[in-house]
Amino acid sequence: EPEVTQTPSHQVTQMGQEVILRCVPISNHLYFYWYRQILGQKVEFLVSFYNNEISEKSEIFDDQFSVERPDGSNFTLKIRSTKLEDSAMYFCASTAGTDTQYFGPGTRLTVL
Amino acid sequence: QKEVEQDPGPLSVPEGAIVSLNCTYSNSAFQYFMWYRQYSRKGPELLMYTYSSGNKEDGRFTAQVDKSSKYISLFIRDSQPSDSATYLCAMIRDDKIIFGKGTRLHILP
Repeated sequence: EPEVTQTPSHQVTQMGQEVILRCVPISNHLYFYWYRQILGQKVEFLVSFYNNEISEKSEIFDDQFSVERPDGSNFTLKIRSTKLEDSAMYFCASTAGTDTQYFGPGTRLTVL
Repeated sequence: QKEVEQDPGPLSVPEGAIVSLNCTYSNSAFQYFMWYRQYSRKGPELLMYTYSSGNKEDGRFTAQVDKSSKYISLFIRDSQPSDSATYLCAMIRDDKIIFGKGTRLHILP
């Protein structure tokens, strides 16, 4: 069964450093999403991406964040200058259309 | 008022019992209603997905939506220890999923 994959599973970085989280969505899906989940809190929407552009973003997704689909398979989330409060699980999701989204296993980001 | 409200639990029930999990919501714009299961340090896994008011059954799971009351439920029959996880209700509006906080469920063997 096709699935969303994410790398790395765990990323440790120093405050102020740039990180890139990578996702490979399900191959025939067209809509891509990033969510985050701070430990003990609920899953929060960050951004949605369709047709090579952002279609929706939350107030969390400020200028420090960017997304890119550099080729036909990868979808990345970049955090330019990480802060302690960026420590969270980051989930990528994808969907073919108006049906529901399928989530990857997540990348645990730890900012020291 | 939060858009989606869900009691975080924990909820502990004996194996074999029927489990009832619930969420309320405030925004009539929500169109699709889902239940996800999340094991510790894993991504949410879709369990049930429904659009209309009423019941939808899949194996031991039944999802119920009452749009007039803005209330959704998930019932788990014949609960198993492997059902122990966090259950997230979720709803779609404007192309994004809004999650409840999740209810931690423990099935006691």
